[in-house]
Amino acid sequence: GAGVSQSPSNKVTEKGKDVELRCDPISGHTALYWYRQSLGQGLEFLIYFQGNSAPDKSGLPSDRFSAERTGGSVSTLTIQRTQQEDSAVYLCASSLLGKNEQFFGPGTRLTVL
Amino acid sequence: RKEVEQDPGPFNVPEGATVAFNCTYSNSASQSFFWYRQDCRKEPKLLMSVYSSGNEDGRFTAQLNRASQYISLLIRDSKLSDSATYLCVVNQATGFQKLVFGTGTRLLVSP
Repeated sequence: GAGVSQSPSNKVTEKGKDVELRCDPISGHTALYWYRQSLGQGLEFLIYFQGNSAPDKSGLPSDRFSAERTGGSVSTLTIQRTQQEDSAVYLCASSLLGKNEQFFGPGTRLTVL
Repeated sequence: RKEVEQDPGPFNVPEGATVAFNCTYSNSASQSFFWYRQDCRKEPKLLMSVYSSGNEDGRFTAQLNRASQYISLLIRDSKLSDSATYLCVVNQATGFQKLVFGTGTRLLVSP
């Protein structure tokens, strides 16, 4: 069966541009998570979705970051007016409700020039 | 102080060696604990959950000491394929998983 997929795999953008990152979770997984991993840093929690709602957005670093999920499936993470410090790998994970294991996608490597 | 602390390594060991990694966490209210494995430029994958009673999965043994807020992972008879970064992970939430990741310990197993 298909795992978590993310697109694009790589994105290079100029400072100040907006970017949109996409995550397709495993079918049937109601929980979806976004993380980012910067060089030499641990994974940083950004936001959690249960179905289409986001009970915890506490990890979003600024109001330039937003995310939505539609149909209880695909999620998009949008970064507006990108800055160089936004450069990182953005990872999406999904899980069955109440289950411990999170399954990660391959990530989107974002480079802001 | 970081919420989850690990020695970054690298730990360089020969094949067949036994190696142990340690991790400490700061939030005493943490609910559950895991070790994830991350290969270079790949996504993390769950290696094993960690229980207070200790648990074993083949060559891997994980232990949790809640009083000391300390988690360990022991790998016996290391294989070349064990070379990876091992992430100590703590779930701080109830009802859903709010995972806090350590920065990882890098293991290099050589022939």
